[in-house]
Amino acid sequence: EAGVTQFPSHSVIEKGQTVTLRCDPISGHDNLYWYRRVMGKEIKFLLHFVKESKQDESGMPNNRFLAERTGGTYSTLKVQPAELEDSGVYFCASSHGTDNINYGYTFGSGTRLTVV
Amino acid sequence: DQQVKQNSPSLSVQEGRISILNCDYTNSMFDYFLWYKKYPAEGPTFLISISSIKDKNEDGRFTVFLNKSAKHLSLHIVPSQPGDSAVYFCAASPYTGTASKLTFGTGTRLQVTL
Repeated sequence: EAGVTQFPSHSVIEKGQTVTLRCDPISGHDNLYWYRRVMGKEIKFLLHFVKESKQDESGMPNNRFLAERTGGTYSTLKVQPAELEDSGVYFCASSHGTDNINYGYTFGSGTRLTVV
Repeated sequence: DQQVKQNSPSLSVQEGRISILNCDYTNSMFDYFLWYKKYPAEGPTFLISISSIKDKNEDGRFTVFLNKSAKHLSLHIVPSQPGDSAVYFCAASPYTGTASKLTFGTGTRLQVTL
């Protein structure tokens, strides 16, 4: 099966500009997550969709970040306007939601965002 | 306040020897623990997990040990291979299963030398 796909893989934008990151989860996965890793630090949770609904958005840093998941398929994460501290690698992950503890999420390769 | 801590940023081990990666957590509500492996320019890949009702889980060369009273878990890789060189992240969740958010540590970079 195809994995979790993220686009673009890299993005360099100027402070104040807008950037939109896209994630295509594994087909049939109801759960979709966004995480972010700032250089050298932990991978931090941003938010969790179940189908098209936001289940948990407690990790979203501020209202400059907007996530959507139209139709419960792909998701976008928009940063507007971008600030220097938004730089990092943004990971998307998806899961079926099974209770089987032998499975974890499947992560995408991430989008490296650099705000200059 | 970091709830999952990996205090060793890096570890170097000779091929064939045992690698031991450690992780401590502070939140007693965590019930499910996972290890992820990450290569450069790739996303984290799920490696192994353990529920708090167990103290050990084994999968091939990888074993995770959980000491709930000490709020400590460790990942053992035996024998270590050069392909194991990567960053390893410990993660925790208050729920068993894959429908909840994870709290990650900062990672430990493992280098397996020849």
